[in-house]
Amino acid sequence: AQSVTQLDSQVPVFEEAPVELRCNYSSSVSVYLFWYVQYPNQGLQLLLKYLSGSTLVKGINGFEAEFNKSQTSFHLRKPSVHISDTAEYFCAVSTSGTYKYIFGTGTRLKVLA
Amino acid sequence: EAQVTQNPRYLITVTGKKLTVTCSQNMNHEYMSWYRQDPGLGLRQIYYSMNVEVTDKGDVPEGYKVSRKEKRNFPLILESPSPNQTSLYFCASRKISISGGAYDTQYFGPGTRLTVL
Repeated sequence: AQSVTQLDSQVPVFEEAPVELRCNYSSSVSVYLFWYVQYPNQGLQLLLKYLSGSTLVKGINGFEAEFNKSQTSFHLRKPSVHISDTAEYFCAVSTSGTYKYIFGTGTRLKVLA
Repeated sequence: EAQVTQNPRYLITVTGKKLTVTCSQNMNHEYMSWYRQDPGLGLRQIYYSMNVEVTDKGDVPEGYKVSRKEKRNFPLILESPSPNQTSLYFCASRKISISGGAYDTQYFGPGTRLTVL
C-alpha cells in the first residue's frame, strides 16, 4: 500500500527567503507524485506533478520539485517566497492501475514580512 | 469556465437531520470523488465514482452515501449526521485516460464546511 509523509506541519519563512517542503512516500510499485496548494478558504489546485522522465519538475508560481527514487522523496522548493505563497501544501501519490490518490497531512507555509 | 461546484458552502445542522451536499462538474469527467479534510489528518477519501452508476468506498465511508445518476453530478448524503462528521468536505473530478487515470490532475471544488451540533 502507498503512503505519504509530510514531516513538517508548519513552516515559517521570511519573505524572499528560499523554502523547502518535504515529502516522503512509500510504495512497492512505480508512482506518480503531485503537489497541490490550498489557499485560505479555497479548494486545492495542482502546483506540479511527476509522471516520468526528468526528475526535476517545474510548476506554477516558481515552484519546483525533485523526484529522488533512492530516498523515496519528492521535496518542493522555491528560491524566493512571497507573502502570497502563504497557504497549505499537500503532497499526494498515485499508482498506475488505481483510482486513488493518497494525500499527506499537509504543510502550512507561513511567509513573514 | 471549467469548474467543480459544491453547494452549500457552509452548513450548520443538528444530529440526525438528513442532509445532502451537491457536487457538479462541467468538464465531462468520468471520475468523481469526495474527501473530508480534518486538521492533522490531511484529505481522506470518502467515496469515489468511475462513471454513472459505478461507485466505491474510499478510506472513510462510514456514515455517508453517494449516488451517480448523471455524469456531471455526484451528491454526498448524510442520512443521520453526527458531530464527528463535522469537517471540511471537498468534491473532485478528473478524466480517466486509457492508462487508468492515475496521473491525471484532479480538479477540486471550493469546499463545504459542515458543522453538526
